[in-house]
Amino acid sequence: QLQLQESGPGLVKSSETLSLTCIVSGGSITNSNYYWGWFRQPPGKGLEWVGSMYYYSGSTYYNPSLKSRVTISVDTSKSQFSLRLQSVTAADAAIYYCARVSGDYYYAMDVWGQGTAVTVSS
Amino acid sequence: DIQMTQSPSTLSASVGDRVTITCRASQRISDWLAWYQQKPGKAPNLLIYKASTLETGVPSRFSGSGSGTEFTLTISSLQPDDFATYYCQHYNPYSWTFGQGTKVEIK
Repeated sequence: QLQLQESGPGLVKSSETLSLTCIVSGGSITNSNYYWGWFRQPPGKGLEWVGSMYYYSGSTYYNPSLKSRVTISVDTSKSQFSLRLQSVTAADAAIYYCARVSGDYYYAMDVWGQGTAVTVSS
Repeated sequence: DIQMTQSPSTLSASVGDRVTITCRASQRISDWLAWYQQKPGKAPNLLIYKASTLETGVPSRFSGSGSGTEFTLTISSLQPDDFATYYCQHYNPYSWTFGQGTKVEIK
């Protein structure tokens, strides 16, 4: 059964770069049926899409509101994909989730990681 | 950009009640809509995709309907495990947009 696990520092200083990794186990990150995405949820607020990638085409897609600061990359040798968010501010404090996006499910997210909390300090 | 608006934001209900949550899109989106349940401290869980297709393992008391701009999630008989926050989500190549969420509380 596919599992996703986020990892990364829980505390990032304002203006610095947030780096998170999502390890994929029990399945292949190269499967053409799936995209892989990052989502976030500020404390007490709703869900926001950060960005996604499709290994098969090498394409990445970013939320326009974050596009200038976000990079998603993949390391197939480690079966993981990563998120980099530059120049963080307090507004970037959130629980960050990685998820599998299934083409079979009309591009809904059918598997999620447990989430990792990120705090931004000044 | 397409906006997704859920109503109500909060809903108070009792066990056994029939509950309906509405999600409206700012433009027609066909049936590119999913619903998720999220419990405190947990990741979202997919309930329905393609507006009305139940994800495997989701209880049949959950159902989705709608097409175009108006969609509903219905819980036919609310159970204790159903008190949670529910989100609709639209896919528009290549972006994903969520509604603001509906919290279902115990009355």
